[in-house]
Amino acid sequence: QKEVEQDPGPLSVPEGAIVSLNCTYSNSAFQYFMWYRQYSRKGPELLMYTYSSGNKEDGRFTAQVDKSSKYISLFIRDSQPSDSATYLCAMSSNSNYQLIWGAGTKLIIKP
Amino acid sequence: GAVVSQHPSRVICKSGTSVKIECRSLDFQATTMFWYRQFPKQSLMLMATSNEGSKATYEQGVEKDKFLINHASLTLSTLTVTSAHPEDSSFYICSATLTGSSYEQYFGPGTRLTVT
Repeated sequence: QKEVEQDPGPLSVPEGAIVSLNCTYSNSAFQYFMWYRQYSRKGPELLMYTYSSGNKEDGRFTAQVDKSSKYISLFIRDSQPSDSATYLCAMSSNSNYQLIWGAGTKLIIKP
Repeated sequence: GAVVSQHPSRVICKSGTSVKIECRSLDFQATTMFWYRQFPKQSLMLMATSNEGSKATYEQGVEKDKFLINHASLTLSTLTVTSAHPEDSSFYICSATLTGSSYEQYFGPGTRLTVT
């Protein structure tokens, strides 16, 4: 079993829909949770990071962490075609430890 | 801010030759840089962690004599793929951190290596 599980998709939704992207993990020691966006043939871009449990909002993006269920989510409101990309979750037990990555979910927003 | 560049963006080389990839932090000093490899439709695989002025730390299964990493300054790290083989063809991405915290990584645009 992988430490971090993420459905590779693709996930295709119409423009304007609310998108929910998720990762589950097995290591209860994880404390830092990140979401990265990667466009085709580009490097990943840090979208959001959360320490421990709770929610964090930034514009149209909301990150949620449920440590009791070992489940993290990224919500995108009012999705745009420009949001079409691969979204990778990553997590770490300590800010100086290496990141453990999900496989990435390919998201397609249809105009 | 926090821009990382990589050069070249694409390179094609013949088997047996060596290829050097540069990673630069353009507007900040990077205490730590990371090198990743990414296969199509797969996630990032960490190859090594490099700190300026010291030897790189390689992940298990990564040959340090094949993938030479040099971090000569706080703004430049290089990855040299020596005696390249077709199975080395991949997307290589570097990242850099301001503070050494692994979660706050800024990624370069990647280098597509094709070995013929």
